[in-house]
Amino acid sequence: GENVEQHPSTLSVQEGDSAVIKCTYSDSASNYFPWYKQELGKRPQLIIDIRSNVGEKKDQRIAVTLNKTAKHFSLHITETQPEDSAVYFCAATDSGGGADGLTFGKGTHLIIQP
Amino acid sequence: KAGVTQTPRYLIKTRGQQVTLSCSPISGHRSVSWYQQTPGQGLQFLFEYFSETQRNKGNFPGRFSGRQFSNSRSEMNVSTLELGDSALYLCASSPNPGGTDTQYFGPGTRLTVL
Repeated sequence: GENVEQHPSTLSVQEGDSAVIKCTYSDSASNYFPWYKQELGKRPQLIIDIRSNVGEKKDQRIAVTLNKTAKHFSLHITETQPEDSAVYFCAATDSGGGADGLTFGKGTHLIIQP
Repeated sequence: KAGVTQTPRYLIKTRGQQVTLSCSPISGHRSVSWYQQTPGQGLQFLFEYFSETQRNKGNFPGRFSGRQFSNSRSEMNVSTLELGDSALYLCASSPNPGGTDTQYFGPGTRLTVL
């Protein structure tokens, strides 16, 4: 089955700086890669996703890049704000079969320092 | 549209008991997936239901089971509870199965096994 590795487990950045979270996956059949944000005590919420037919996707301060050859995808947050503090999860799945559902990374605790 | 709802939100059980959790998907969504979230293992896929059929299942023992009704509502059952079953159980709904569409998460049911 799919295996997703996520780094770092904790990331502390100064407010206004950029944050980058990286994930690698093992199954070359995976073609859908969502990112979820989970605030303390709340449900995971999708913030951005990318499919394998594109290499990059942006939504305001958030961007995701995908390198299918290297089986690597990353989340980039620019101009970080206090409300960006949360745990971020990357995930991967094969939308064709989806045998394992979404396989998640272990999460990155992003801390925005004022 | 109303979001994904889960009941109950909190549950305390003792070892050996069984428990049933409920998930109501977003109106029009026919796929419901269940995940277990723990501090140690993160988010792990349990199973997915689509059109009242279990489409796939994660690596969990047979004590974990589920079903889906004709209105797409889903239940999951855990029999012979163990201490290690203490976790946040999240369900997620999407219009179609697998990674075809975005999965939207419910608030979760916090299960504590004593």
